[in-house]
Amino acid sequence: DADVTQTPRNRITKTGKRIMLECSQTKGHDRMYWYRQDPGLGLRLIYYSFDVKDINKGEISDGYSVSRQAQAKFSLSLESAIPNQTALYFCATSDLGQGPRSNEQFFGPGTRLTVL
Amino acid sequence: AQSVTQPDIHITVSEGASLELRCNYSYGATPYLFWYVQSPGQGLQLLLKYFSGDTLVQGIKGFEAEFKRSQSSFNLRKPSVHWSDAAEYFCATSLGGQTGANNLFFGTGTRLTVIP
Repeated sequence: DADVTQTPRNRITKTGKRIMLECSQTKGHDRMYWYRQDPGLGLRLIYYSFDVKDINKGEISDGYSVSRQAQAKFSLSLESAIPNQTALYFCATSDLGQGPRSNEQFFGPGTRLTVL
Repeated sequence: AQSVTQPDIHITVSEGASLELRCNYSYGATPYLFWYVQSPGQGLQLLLKYFSGDTLVQGIKGFEAEFKRSQSSFNLRKPSVHWSDAAEYFCATSLGGQTGANNLFFGTGTRLTVIP
């Protein structure tokens, strides 16, 4: 079984709809991240969380919100989806600590979201 | 601000030929450095990483990368490319070592096409 899973894998929705993307992990990591990938732009960080009580905005958090329901679960919400949020969304995890290993992130398979 | 540059958007090589993908970073100190690969429809898989020490690092699938401080580069190489290496490759950096500063910064990616 995959260590980091994302649901759904694909979603098509309409402008103005509320959408939730979910991420679960069995790696036992404390840190979780949400990225979006757009062609030619690489991956950009939306939000990250270092534990269930810690939520931080990333580079492009406008229009998104997150919820860390448990150590293993981190959800990304689009309160009112718009077409320019059409992208591939990745969840990632990393271990706690100050050493180099805490910088190594493990990625889920991605969710392809299309907003019409 | 920290940034990562992958100057080649798309590279085409023949199967069996050697490969070098370029990555340059912009940051005063030496960051942690990573190469990820994204196969079509898949998530990101870590190929290799550099934290410190030997500047030539070996990764999975026969890949290696060399850190050159004087050039702020971390180029990915493979002596003989296989058709299954066709994918998108991302270079990433992390400041490392400080709370809240271990987020990854990604380059825009290089898409590799392998021809028979």
